[in-house]
Amino acid sequence: QKEVEQDPGPLSVPEGAIVSLNCTYSNSAFQYFMWYRQYSRKGPELLMYTYSSGNKEDGRFTAQVDKSSKYISLFIRDSQPSDSATYLCAANTGTASKLTFGTGTRLQVTL
Amino acid sequence: DAGVIQSPRHEVTEMGQEVTLRCKPISGHDYLFWYRQTMMRGLELLIYFNNNVPIDDSGMPEDRFSAKMPNASFSTLKIQPSEPRDSAVYFCASSLAGAYTIYFGEGSWLTVV
Repeated sequence: QKEVEQDPGPLSVPEGAIVSLNCTYSNSAFQYFMWYRQYSRKGPELLMYTYSSGNKEDGRFTAQVDKSSKYISLFIRDSQPSDSATYLCAANTGTASKLTFGTGTRLQVTL
Repeated sequence: DAGVIQSPRHEVTEMGQEVTLRCKPISGHDYLFWYRQTMMRGLELLIYFNNNVPIDDSGMPEDRFSAKMPNASFSTLKIQPSEPRDSAVYFCASSLAGAYTIYFGEGSWLTVV
């Protein structure tokens, strides 16, 4: 079993929809949780970062971590075609330690 | 600032040949990571270095894979001999000590036929 599990999708939504992307993890030592966005034929880039449990909002994006249930979520409001990408959740036990990634969820936002 | 630079971007090689992938991390970064990405397994950490010293190579799949970091601005990942199952995208990434995120290059797309 992978330490970070993620539904690969693909997930297709109409423009303007609210998108919910989710991951579960098994390592209780994970403290830092991130979402990376990866466009086709590009490297992943950091989108959101959260430490421990709680919510973090950045524009149309909200990251949520529930350590009691080992659940990580990313919400995208008013989704745009430019949000079409693969979204990878990641976690680690401390700064500069190795990141463990989920397999990624491919999102397609249609006009 | 230049990001993480990888070369070659694309490589097609025959089974049994040696493959060398190269990486230049972001200047000043202390950590360098090599990841492999496939559809089936996602992003997998192969090895990472701190201040040019290999810290954890437990993700290296087998002895055919080797990685070096002779100085702070250059690293190589070598596969010898290559096999079709090595076909994947190989990413190099770097980070600063104390940082919570890593910065990826654009990847080297390897196809072994």
